[in-house]
Amino acid sequence: EIVLTQSPGTLSLSPGERATLSCRASQSVSSLAWYQQKPGQAPRLLIYGASRRATGIPDRFSGSGSGTDFTLTISRLEPEDFAVYYCQQYGSSRFTFGPGTKVDIK
Amino acid sequence: EVQLVESGGGLVQPGGSLRLSCAASGFSFSSYSMNWVRQAPGKGLEWVSYISTRSVNIYYADSLKGRFTISRDDAKNSLYLQMNSLTDEDTALYYCARTGYSSGCFDRWGQGILVTVSS
Repeated sequence: EIVLTQSPGTLSLSPGERATLSCRASQSVSSLAWYQQKPGQAPRLLIYGASRRATGIPDRFSGSGSGTDFTLTISRLEPEDFAVYYCQQYGSSRFTFGPGTKVDIK
Repeated sequence: EVQLVESGGGLVQPGGSLRLSCAASGFSFSSYSMNWVRQAPGKGLEWVSYISTRSVNIYYADSLKGRFTISRDDAKNSLYLQMNSLTDEDTALYYCARTGYSSGCFDRWGQGILVTVSS
């Protein structure tokens, strides 16, 4: 099973700042997605295929990376962006999630 | 509008069984693969199971040890999860999620249904 590790566990930033979230896989991953989850809500797909924005996702969200190292970047944090972010690999028959990074207000 | 609505959750004793349902609407259900994902209270997301179109391919998380069974009824636009031999570690919010055509990952999610395993 592919294990995903996310860092940092918590990121404390102010609105307008840049957020950089990391996702590392225990072995090479062919397909990686990022999801956002706010309290009391279901997760929402942000990025798939490592770098493709899902429908309706603002362009301040971008994804990059390949192989075992991936990054989600939020260029300028808006108040609604403070949430938990999960990466997920879906290239194998076991669709594992990372433990999440919480982005909270500094 | 795409909608996924889970039902069938509740309180069950350890060792008991429960069957979750997910009613789909607003899209051609039979054309999409589907999934169950769970989230224990205050914890992260855990993928549970996947079923392809026409139930050709079915996968489960290794941690389930054969206790859960996923199925679908395309005539009823419904997805199911039969859960047996439940333990307190199965206490979680259970989401059904659609696999997107172009993305291959989970592009639509239900709001989740709570399963509590406790005596």
